[in-house]
Amino acid sequence: EGQLGQSGAEVKEAGESLKISCQGFGYTFTSHWIGWVRQRPGKGLEWMGIIYPGDSDTRYSPSFQGQVTISADKSISTASLQWSSLKASDTAMYYCARLVGASLDSFDIWGQGTMVTVSS
Amino acid sequence: QSVLTQPPSVSAAPGQTVTISCSGQNSNIGSNYATWYQQLPGTAPKFLIYDNDKRPSGISARFSGSKSGTSATLSITGLQTGDEADYYCGTWDRTLSAYVFGTGTKVTVL
Repeated sequence: EGQLGQSGAEVKEAGESLKISCQGFGYTFTSHWIGWVRQRPGKGLEWMGIIYPGDSDTRYSPSFQGQVTISADKSISTASLQWSSLKASDTAMYYCARLVGASLDSFDIWGQGTMVTVSS
Repeated sequence: QSVLTQPPSVSAAPGQTVTISCSGQNSNIGSNYATWYQQLPGTAPKFLIYDNDKRPSGISARFSGSKSGTSATLSITGLQTGDEADYYCGTWDRTLSAYVFGTGTKVTVL
């Protein structure tokens, strides 16, 4: 079935850099897209982008293009999301999830989430 | 901003049925399968319905989905207090080349 395990909560100051990670277990990591989803406190789900770990093909939501970088290291079955300069507005829970389906319709496995808190 | 529209909230008494609509466009719901997710308070979203009307292993038959045109619907029958959660629809949008989520619906059991 598979699982995704995410790195722990982070508390940062505005302007700092950050990289959070998502490791896949129990399935062929290189054969499925991995996506990142933001959820600000009390708000809905926002798709940030996806990466195909097999060849690192990456797609970004226009809302997040240039704001974050998505990467993957297939040797350790890990996808990452990073910021070069955090803002207070980046405070949110970040989830990774596996994207499946003939038309990439469904996120079937979700990580437990990484809470990022940025103080100004 | 979400391109899939859901009612902000629905409520019903235990044992009753609630339905949640997800309104989209030809480029998303109209041409791809709809998926539904359940997010219990303080937890990650959970895969609930896929391919419009299929349930993953372990999901109760009280949850069902359907699709007509550019709209999808999630129904919960025999409502239980444990069903109190936020529910989101989602699918790929061919025009945006992006995954889109619904605005989310909070289900309250009275």
